[in-house]
Amino acid sequence: EVQLVESGGGVVRPGGSLRLSCAASGFIFDDFAMRWVRQAPGKGLEWVSGINWNGGSTGYADSVKGRFTISRDNAKNSLYLQMNSLRVEDTAFYYCARENLEYSSSSGFDPWGQGTLVTVSS
Amino acid sequence: SYELTQPPSVSVSPGQTATITCSGDKLGNRYTSWYQQKPGQSPILVIYHDAKRPSGIPERFSGFNSGNTATLTISGTQALDEADYYCQAWDSSLGVFGGGTKLTVL
Repeated sequence: EVQLVESGGGVVRPGGSLRLSCAASGFIFDDFAMRWVRQAPGKGLEWVSGINWNGGSTGYADSVKGRFTISRDNAKNSLYLQMNSLRVEDTAFYYCARENLEYSSSSGFDPWGQGTLVTVSS
Repeated sequence: SYELTQPPSVSVSPGQTATITCSGDKLGNRYTSWYQQKPGQSPILVIYHDAKRPSGIPERFSGFNSGNTATLTISGTQALDEADYYCQAWDSSLGVFGGGTKLTVL
């Protein structure tokens, strides 16, 4: 069974840092691009960041560029999101998602993890 | 930055056809995906590459993309289709989501 499990969320003060992890199983991790998507409580989906199969290409939403860093460890079947200089507006559920098709970059996101909640508050 | 616009809400009677639109500049030149999200659940992919259905998605879900508008159509809408629906496309290497449409089946 294909599965994505996020961890690392929690409560942090403005200006603080968190590192999210996403453990993947049930598929050949190296073959797929991976994404982070967030959703503030009661709001819509926002694409945060993406990374290609080998980590050689990354992208960030303007709202997080320069503060967040996406990475992956294919040997550990894991995806990461290092979040620095956190702001109140970064409060959201953070989902990791796999690219739907292997060797693709525009085939949609499937599956998604269950999400991990990040709360930035003083 | 690239923007995708969806109607905030759509209502449909059970058994009827629901149509949800997603508008963006020359959207027809980009692949569009659609996601369904029910309360308290993670989103699931229902349409990719404009009109393809992932395995396990019922045939009543279909998609079309041309010009500036992509459309998600749900034929014979059922009560269990009530959910939020989001379109998604790419602006170069950056992902973009529409604001979401709440589909009410009443």
